Amino acid sequence: DIQLTQSPSTLPASLGERVTISCRASQSISNRLTWYQQKPDGTVKRLIYSTSTLESGVPSRFSGSGSGTDYSLSISSLESEDFAMYYCLQYVTYPHTFGAGTKLELK
Amino acid sequence: EVLLVESGGGLVQPGRSLKLSCAASGFTFSDFNMAWVRQTPKKGLEWVGTISFDGGSTFYRDSVKGRFTISRDNTKTTLYLQMDSLRSEDTATYYCARQYYGPGWWGQGVMVTVSS
Repeated sequence: DIQLTQSPSTLPASLGERVTISCRASQSISNRLTWYQQKPDGTVKRLIYSTSTLESGVPSRFSGSGSGTDYSLSISSLESEDFAMYYCLQYVTYPHTFGAGTKLELK
Repeated sequence: EVLLVESGGGLVQPGRSLKLSCAASGFTFSDFNMAWVRQTPKKGLEWVGTISFDGGSTFYRDSVKGRFTISRDNTKTTLYLQMDSLRSEDTATYYCARQYYGPGWWGQGVMVTVSS
């Protein structure tokens, strides 16, 4: 199975700050990477797919990049609703696998 | 608007069975592959399995192969997860998701607790 190592596990940040979350795969995943946001009530929302394609309705402050085994999610200017859990997932092959998550918390 | 609503969760004893449903609306259900994903505090998010748009193909994670069965009824726009021989480690919140470049739109989830 492809392992995804997500870092950091916790990210303290301030409103207006730019942050970046990393996701490293154990082998090349050919840009087949998505990013999700999960709120405390359990609601899961996809933000980005195919490494950098923004899901419809997702604010442009979110962006994704990467290739091969290294990928990242950036938020350009944090707003209050952005403080949540973030997960990456690879879908290049079955089983699809998730990163362990990053908790973005208010500093 | 896309809507996925899971149901059928609850408390079940080890070794017993449970069937989850996911009612879909707001899109052409028969055009999309569908997936089940589960989440536990210990293991995080886990992809459980995927079924093709026509039900002709299914894929499962190893730990549920032979115990879980994913099916769908395109006339009822409903996805199912039949869970047999349940184990304590199957305790989780189960989400259904529309598959498009990976699991895209998710339901709100349903809790399954396997305990005696």
